[in-house]
Amino acid sequence: ETGVTQSPTHLIKTRGQQVTLRCSSQSGHNTVSWYQQALGQGPQFIFQYYREEENGRGNFPPRFSGLQFPNYSSELNVNALELDDSALYLCASSFDGLSMGTEAFFGQGTRLTVV
Amino acid sequence: QQQVKQSPQSLIVQKGGISIINCAYENTAFDYFPWYQQFPGKGPALLIAIRPDVSEKKEGRFTISFNKSAKQFSLHIMDSQPGDSATYFCAASTGNNFNKFYFGSGTKLNVKP
Repeated sequence: ETGVTQSPTHLIKTRGQQVTLRCSSQSGHNTVSWYQQALGQGPQFIFQYYREEENGRGNFPPRFSGLQFPNYSSELNVNALELDDSALYLCASSFDGLSMGTEAFFGQGTRLTVV
Repeated sequence: QQQVKQSPQSLIVQKGGISIINCAYENTAFDYFPWYQQFPGKGPALLIAIRPDVSEKKEGRFTISFNKSAKQFSLHIMDSQPGDSATYFCAASTGNNFNKFYFGSGTKLNVKP
């Protein structure tokens, strides 16, 4: 098991609602990325946070937003939920230094179902 | 547009056989190519990774072959075992960012006993 934990593990929301997903990074890691994995597909990069600042964003609308806290844990917020937002949401933490980085470790994911 | 294309979508191999999964990419800026293994209900776990300055990397039963000119790379699993049954994803990233990946669509491997 990795040291990355996500909560909750499963969630059911109604279209139009808002949701917050949480990720606790592995100890010593300063970078968190969020991915969306639709059923039967590979993960798609949503955005990355490095030392509390957004450090790159994939092709996702602004209603997907995030935060990283001083302890490097992170939240993913999705507003105005749509049916197509139903997916497994993964966070991955890593350490990024000036000249080196470590591999990313993934959490087990949060399964979001929008009805 | 998918940046990393993976095939086949599914693969059935007999125990002891060789499993081969292929990926292709377009972006020549990619310089880190990992393979991830995912079991049901779990997040992806790093299996093996390669940089484009080498053509092959082997770790135990797992080998990555890399063809820079063709912009293709593949995963070979030797002596495949039922415990290898999982979904495998290739991925690519740029620079020294090991946590901003473009993933392939995945290959579901089933190793028959």
